[in-house]
Amino acid sequence: EAGVTQFPSHSVIEKGQTVTLRCDPISGHDNLYWYRRVMGKEIKFLLHFVKESKQDESGMPNNRFLAERTGGTYSTLKVQPAELEDSGVYFCASRGQSNSPLHFGNGTRLTVT
Amino acid sequence: GNSVTQMEGPVTLSEEAFLTINCTYTATGYPSLFWYVQYPGEGLQLLLKATKADDKGSNKGFEATYRKETTSFHLEKGSVQVSDSAVYFCALSDRTGGFKTIFGAGTRLFVKA
Repeated sequence: EAGVTQFPSHSVIEKGQTVTLRCDPISGHDNLYWYRRVMGKEIKFLLHFVKESKQDESGMPNNRFLAERTGGTYSTLKVQPAELEDSGVYFCASRGQSNSPLHFGNGTRLTVT
Repeated sequence: GNSVTQMEGPVTLSEEAFLTINCTYTATGYPSLFWYVQYPGEGLQLLLKATKADDKGSNKGFEATYRKETTSFHLEKGSVQVSDSAVYFCALSDRTGGFKTIFGAGTRLFVKA
């Protein structure tokens, strides 16, 4: 089966610009997660979709971050406007059952200058 | 809330040396415990897991035992190889957290030939 794919792999933008990250989960996986790892620290949870619904968005840092999953397939995470502290690696993960292990994409490395 | 603490890296070992990466956790429920590994240029992938106390997870020569009394899940390997060089993440998930997976900060391992 195809794995979780993320696009782009790298993005360098200036402060104040907008960036949209995309994640295509494994086909049939209802659960989709966004995580972020900043500067070698822990991987922090951002939010969780079940199909097209936001199940838990408690980890979203602020209202500059907007996640969508229209149709319950792929998801996008938009940062607008980007700030320096948004730099990091954004991971997407998916799974079928709620307590099965996560399948991760390779991540998007975002650099805000 | 739930949390995971793992030893800071980097850890540098010679080939065939013994590896231990310590991991302790705090959880309100009865979590499942995981070790994920991230090889250079790739996403995280599940290395091993344990779902209840005294379970031992194992894979690729790595082992970890779920110790409820010490709230620990230390990763061990008897003889590391250069190809084991990667970042290792300890993680947990449980029902009280909505099965949200919580990660530690990661430990980078370098194995020298």
